[in-house]
Amino acid sequence: GAVVSQHPSRVICKSGTSVKIECRSLDFQATTMFWYRQFPKQSLMLMATSNEGSKATYEQGVEKDKFLINHASLTLSTLTVTSAHPEDSSFYICSARVGQGIHEQYFGPGTRLTVT
Amino acid sequence: KQEVTQIPAALSVPEGENLVLNCSFTDSAIYNLQWFRQDPGKGLTSLLLIQSSQREQTSGRLNASLDKSSGRSTLYIAASQPGDSATYLCAVRPTGGFKTIFGAGTRLFVKA
Repeated sequence: GAVVSQHPSRVICKSGTSVKIECRSLDFQATTMFWYRQFPKQSLMLMATSNEGSKATYEQGVEKDKFLINHASLTLSTLTVTSAHPEDSSFYICSARVGQGIHEQYFGPGTRLTVT
Repeated sequence: KQEVTQIPAALSVPEGENLVLNCSFTDSAIYNLQWFRQDPGKGLTSLLLIQSSQREQTSGRLNASLDKSSGRSTLYIAASQPGDSATYLCAVRPTGGFKTIFGAGTRLFVKA
């Protein structure tokens, strides 16, 4: 089956620094990648959608200057949390999909970000 | 606006029991519905994907049904085991859009 990886799986950073999270589709080319955020005991909330080679589309309430998304190739998307604050501590999950319509989304294992 | 609701929010059952998790959605215009499992601190594992034209899907001890007209899906787990303990998420893909909408999940605990 299709595999999506994320790196790192866990990261701890100091307040004010920036952190980059990578999402890779290992055995397929992902035309679209999604970034989700999950708070403890809550469901996944979509942050943004990115298509390869174009700017990401952010959901309402998500600061695009704070959460920088780059989808430079069909197998790699990155999420950079800039000037991180403790309230940015969360579980970030990416997913990838081939094409539109009924194609299945495949999810990564998630990255636990802790900002101290 | 599509909304996905899962009931119950939490469930504790003894090992061996058969159980049903419920998912409801407000807009029947969907491409598909998917059930996921999430272990604590982990990502999502896809369990079953039901396309809008299908009524059910089965995998091992799991059976998922879809009644699009009533906006409901159920996940049936037969002969539950302690290893089934996890959070189960239901998600729908609305027609004409590409955003997957997730329910809040059901936290399942199976007691040995």
